[in-house]
Amino acid sequence: GESVGLHLPTLSVQEGDNSIINCAYSNSASDYFIWYKQESGKGPQFIIDIRSNMDKRQGQRVTVLLNKTVKHLSLQIAATQPGDSAVYFCAENQGKLVFGAGTILRVKS
Amino acid sequence: DTAVSQTPKYLVTQMGNDKSIKCEQNLGHDTMYWYKQDSKKFLKIMFSYNNKELIINETVPNRFSPKSPDKAHLNLHINSLELGDSAVYFCASSIGRRGGSSYNEQFFGPGTRLTVL
Repeated sequence: GESVGLHLPTLSVQEGDNSIINCAYSNSASDYFIWYKQESGKGPQFIIDIRSNMDKRQGQRVTVLLNKTVKHLSLQIAATQPGDSAVYFCAENQGKLVFGAGTILRVKS
Repeated sequence: DTAVSQTPKYLVTQMGNDKSIKCEQNLGHDTMYWYKQDSKKFLKIMFSYNNKELIINETVPNRFSPKSPDKAHLNLHINSLELGDSAVYFCASSIGRRGGSSYNEQFFGPGTRLTVL
């Protein structure tokens, strides 16, 4: 697949387990953060967002946690499914969206 | 009923040629963007337009010229293509008045894979 040869961090999880993908952001003034999912051959797809005045936000099967003290963002996916396999990006708003390097999530059946 | 569409999906061309990529969104959004994703999957903004006005212009060679004929379209023209231009180019749009500085998600197109030989 497209991930062959990529040197991105990779998280391998068993189907049904929970996944946690981490992201360190760079700018303490960033006020808005988004997680995107990118499947092979497709554009990034919005998963969940969070504003800097919050530290947690939940969606369907996903939770985003924001720790401004250490400039850390995480995405938790509950009951991971094969369809969750993709590259995941965090992005921070600095007047424009600045994307992190991406993490490959592989789900083993 | 595609939200953000791009043409072509694949573009293979020789060094030195001039090519264009087209983008259209039917979401009624005011702001559109071009991003470049390199072979390491690194995604970086190139340009942003709000209602046909250029609002973000990153350090991009002036061989790249965006054009927005109306707020639903943002095209990217590239002159004198170089090997390093090979990448996947994504168009995106958002409601926000200014690119990214309001709390609005960006919707991405399917991408155009440009290969320069």
